[in-house]
Amino acid sequence: QLQLQESGPGLVKPSETLSLTCTVSGVSISNSNYYWAWIRQPPGKGLEWIGSIYYSGSAYYNSSLKSRVTISVDTSKGQFSLKLTSVSAADTAVYFCARRDWGHWFHPWGQGTLVTVSS
Amino acid sequence: QSALTQPRSVSGSPGQSVTISCTGTSSDVGGYNFVSWFQQHPGKAPKLMIYDVSKRPSGVPDRFSGSKSGNTASLTISGLQAEDEADYYCCSYAGSYTYVFGSGTKVNVL
Repeated sequence: QLQLQESGPGLVKPSETLSLTCTVSGVSISNSNYYWAWIRQPPGKGLEWIGSIYYSGSAYYNSSLKSRVTISVDTSKGQFSLKLTSVSAADTAVYFCARRDWGHWFHPWGQGTLVTVSS
Repeated sequence: QSALTQPRSVSGSPGQSVTISCTGTSSDVGGYNFVSWFQQHPGKAPKLMIYDVSKRPSGVPDRFSGSKSGNTASLTISGLQAEDEADYYCCSYAGSYTYVFGSGTKVNVL
């Protein structure tokens, strides 16, 4: 059964870099049918697509975050990662990882991890 | 990439039907038949309810249905049940491997 699990620090200082990893189990991250995505949700607010990556390393980003975001993949570990630089309080959110299925939908999702930006 | 527009909330009594709209542009909702809908209960991860405008994943009750007309997609919940009370989000492909979510709608079961 496919499972995704986010991991990383729950607290990041302003102006520093947020780093999260998503571990995929139950399916190969190198499966050519899938992309892998990061999506976030500020407390009490809606969902925002951050970006997606293919196992080859090709990545696509939300234009509003593109200058600060890098998504990478490590196929040997079955993981993909998110780095968001120069964070501020506005980046406080629950961060979800998800599989972009062979079409254009996200399923399943990880449970999410709350990252708070505060000094 | 501006968020797709959804009503903040909709309400209905058990057994009734409610419809949630999701309005975008010709660059997203109107340009592709790749609209999906998610249900999210408090503190939980979103759950896929509809994909490709109107297709239901295995295990999703047929009370949930989706449609699209022009730049607006819709999710209808028929025979509303107490467990349907949740937040609902639409999502559309927006070209060049990018995606945009809706602003979210709270469904209240009276």
